[in-house]
Amino acid sequence: GAVVSQHPSRVICKSGTSVKIECRSLDFQATTMFWYRQFPKQSLMLMATSNEGSKATYEQGVEKDKFLINHASLTLSTLTVTSAHPEDSSFYICSASRTGLKNTIYFGEGSWLTVV
Amino acid sequence: ELKVEQNPLFLSMQEGKNYTIYCNYSTTSDRLYWYRQDPGKSLESLFVLLSNGAVKQEGRLMASLDTKARLSTLHITAAVHDLSATYFCAVDKKGGSEKLVFGKGTKLTVNP
Repeated sequence: GAVVSQHPSRVICKSGTSVKIECRSLDFQATTMFWYRQFPKQSLMLMATSNEGSKATYEQGVEKDKFLINHASLTLSTLTVTSAHPEDSSFYICSASRTGLKNTIYFGEGSWLTVV
Repeated sequence: ELKVEQNPLFLSMQEGKNYTIYCNYSTTSDRLYWYRQDPGKSLESLFVLLSNGAVKQEGRLMASLDTKARLSTLHITAAVHDLSATYFCAVDKKGGSEKLVFGKGTKLTVNP
C-alpha cells in the first residue's frame, strides 16, 4: 500500500537552531502535502499546505518565516523550523494523497521535535 | 469557521461492552474521516465517509454519517483491550480540499 515516510522520527535541537523534517511519498506522487502539529495530549492542527512547485499556503496564526516549507518534487516536502524555541517542541505529522485519487489521505509516521 | 466536536473526550469501558463516540461538526461537509492513534504514534486510517447515510464497518467498529444533522458516530461493539487508543474524527475543511479539521479526540480505555 501507499506509504508516507517522515524523517527524522525524533530530533532534539538547541534553542536558536534550525531543524529540517522531511516527508516523502514512497510509491506515489503527491502534488499537495499537508503539515500538522500535535502538542502532547492534544489534537492535530493544520499548519500549512505544501504545493509542489509553488509557495506553501499557511493557516491563520502560523508564521511562514518560522516554518519554512519546500515542496521541490512530487514525492518530497520539507518543513524547516527556524530559530527553534522550546515552545516549538511538538509532534509534526505530514499527510499526502495520491494525485488523481482523492479521499485517500495517508499520514506519515510523525516526527517528534524537542527543543532544549 | 469549521468546528469539530467529539464526545466523550475520555471513555473507560469494560471488555464486552458497547459504546458510541459522537462527532459533531459546524458547517456543511460531505467528507468525514475516523482515525486511531496509539501513544507516541501517528494516525491509522479507520474509515472515510463520503455521503449522507454512509455506514462502514470493520471488525468491532462501525462508523456512520448523517450530513443533515452534521453528525458522525463511531460505534464499538463488544470492546476488547486492543481497542484502547485515542480516536479522532476529522472533517474536510472545504469539499475535497484534503485539509482536515480534527476533533479533540476520544481516549478510549478498555479494561479487562
